[in-house]
Amino acid sequence: QKEVEQDPGPLSVPEGAIVSLNCTYSNSAFQYFMWYRQYSRKGPELLMYTYSSGNKEDGRFTAQVDKSSKYISLFIRDSQPSDSATYLCAMSHQGAQKLVFGQGTRLTINP
Amino acid sequence: ETGVTQSPTHLIKTRGQQVTLRCSSQSGHNTVSWYQQALGQGPQFIFQYYREEENGRGNFPPRFSGLQFPNYSSELNVNALELDDSALYLCAFQQGTSYGYTFGSGTRLTVV
Repeated sequence: QKEVEQDPGPLSVPEGAIVSLNCTYSNSAFQYFMWYRQYSRKGPELLMYTYSSGNKEDGRFTAQVDKSSKYISLFIRDSQPSDSATYLCAMSHQGAQKLVFGQGTRLTINP
Repeated sequence: ETGVTQSPTHLIKTRGQQVTLRCSSQSGHNTVSWYQQALGQGPQFIFQYYREEENGRGNFPPRFSGLQFPNYSSELNVNALELDDSALYLCAFQQGTSYGYTFGSGTRLTVV
């Protein structure tokens, strides 16, 4: 079993829809949770960074962490065609050198 | 742009050959990590360098090695290339003391 599970999709939604992306994990030591966006032929770009449980909002993006369920989510409101990309969740714990990534979810927003 | 530069952008090598990939940051961070991203997968941690010393390693064989230079640029070397080494290789610099990392656009390595 992988440490971080993420549905690879693909996920296709109409423009303006609310998008929900999710990851589950097995390592209870994870404390730092990130969402990265990766466009084709580019490296991952940090979107959201959260420490421990709770919600964090940044513009159209909201990240949620539920450590009791080992479940994290990213919500995108008023989705735009420019949001079409692969979304990667990533996690780490105190003192760790590495990020552990999910497989990534490929998202397409249709005009 | 992210301020992290990787070269070359694309590379084709033959099985058994050796390859060197390079990475640099405009901002001069002292912690750099390398990741391997196979097609359709998330990045996998190869190793990290801090102040020119290896500071952690993932599940990769010794034929994957690295260097970090005094100007904080870095190299990834892979010996005895195998077909399964075909992937996007990403370097990432840590953003301050947080666990957020800034990635380069990667080097696409194809082994034939």
